[in-house]
Amino acid sequence: GAVVSQHPSWVICKSGTSVKIECRSLDFQATTMFWYRQFPKQSLMLMATSNEGSKATYEQGVEKDKFLINHASLTLSTLTVTSAHPEDSSFYICSALQGRYEQYFGPGTRLTVT
Amino acid sequence: GQQLNQSPQSMFIQEGEDVSMNCTSSSIFNTWLWYKQDPGEGPVLLIALYKAGELTSNGRLTAQFGITRKDSFLNISASIPSDVGIYFCAGLGTSYDKVIFGPGTSLSVIP
Repeated sequence: GAVVSQHPSWVICKSGTSVKIECRSLDFQATTMFWYRQFPKQSLMLMATSNEGSKATYEQGVEKDKFLINHASLTLSTLTVTSAHPEDSSFYICSALQGRYEQYFGPGTRLTVT
Repeated sequence: GQQLNQSPQSMFIQEGEDVSMNCTSSSIFNTWLWYKQDPGEGPVLLIALYKAGELTSNGRLTAQFGITRKDSFLNISASIPSDVGIYFCAGLGTSYDKVIFGPGTSLSVIP
């Protein structure tokens, strides 16, 4: 149980284009999902908390107009990187909250912006 | 804000040896979570701890929630090559709003 998927696993896009990443909880419902960003050899950096049916809560320093989050259902949250630039290249990981405190992570999406 | 420190930063051990790593903070945490991340993958939850003093095992892994609520340790017994990865501790602070991750401990196992 507690399986979270992400799609795509990796994506290469040109500078200026937008990319959408999907996060799904496969065997449980998640009213709360989280989006993280991870640079090589570093820890996870929380970008935003996604709540089903309401606006996402962004961490300080994260541009909400650049990283659009939509939590349309109890099993799906999407992160759209708008007008991507090379500095947006990173490993993006989502997690879904099950119970009160346990987060289960997706396998991550490697984004490369050329 | 609340921060977590992990030590050691990295470790190299021989297969079969036991491993111990810890996670500390100057702040109190209400929940401790230990995750393992393989390269290019998302973190996998290993153990969750909810009460001060709690000792929990998951196979060869044992973790404890420190009685001061400011630390936690993770032990791995009889290490094997597939234990290689980065181990993150994570804590839920007193405001219960979000989980904070430590910087990670990188484990390498020499066959």
